[in-house]
Amino acid sequence: DTAVSQTPKYLVTQMGNDKSIKCEQNLGHDTMYWYKQDSKKFLKIMFSYNNKELIINETVPNRFSPKSPDKAHLNLHINSLELGDSAVYFCASSQGARVNEQFFGPGTRLTVL
Amino acid sequence: GDSVTQMEGPVTLSEEAFLTINCTYTATGYPSLFWYVQYPGEGLQLLLKATKADDKGSNKGFEATYRKETTSFHLEKGSVQVSDSAVYFCALTTGGGNKLTFGTGTQLKVEL
Repeated sequence: DTAVSQTPKYLVTQMGNDKSIKCEQNLGHDTMYWYKQDSKKFLKIMFSYNNKELIINETVPNRFSPKSPDKAHLNLHINSLELGDSAVYFCASSQGARVNEQFFGPGTRLTVL
Repeated sequence: GDSVTQMEGPVTLSEEAFLTINCTYTATGYPSLFWYVQYPGEGLQLLLKATKADDKGSNKGFEATYRKETTSFHLEKGSVQVSDSAVYFCALTTGGGNKLTFGTGTQLKVEL
């Protein structure tokens, strides 16, 4: 199926650990994004990559590091996890870095204990 | 900076009732406006969009009109169904980028 997929779907870990979330899209898009959704459902963009180049980098702690090995993948690595990192993380993709529909993945629910 | 304000939920309606979810925005320049829907346990899906003033976006019986004079993009549906129960997000982008700025979301519950 053509889609945006994320792994894992659920991630439970202890404070201080390092974890990664992977995202892949097979839609042929050249732009990918990471969003964070907090417990009140508020969504905020974190990063965006266009053709493997970082184009949006919001005010995010440098413990968060995105990596785009190719146009179809955008992974999110988080160091030294904190309680406040608990959230649902959504990956998305679009064709072009201008106004086009963004297609979202199913989300990864991260719980930091 | 850009911002989107939505009415707070949850909004609870009976099936076949009329739905309005208010959305107003503040933006520099001329934004494009979107409504996304998030069904339980899923990612967001684009519901409709409008890219310039007076445009009307429509999909699946939902409509929203881009009102520049009132900086609004209210979502409406004439007759809701139980399957419309979801969280609805108003969003905008401005300038050359594709950075979506979201409202806080409005949960809709439709009961029989």
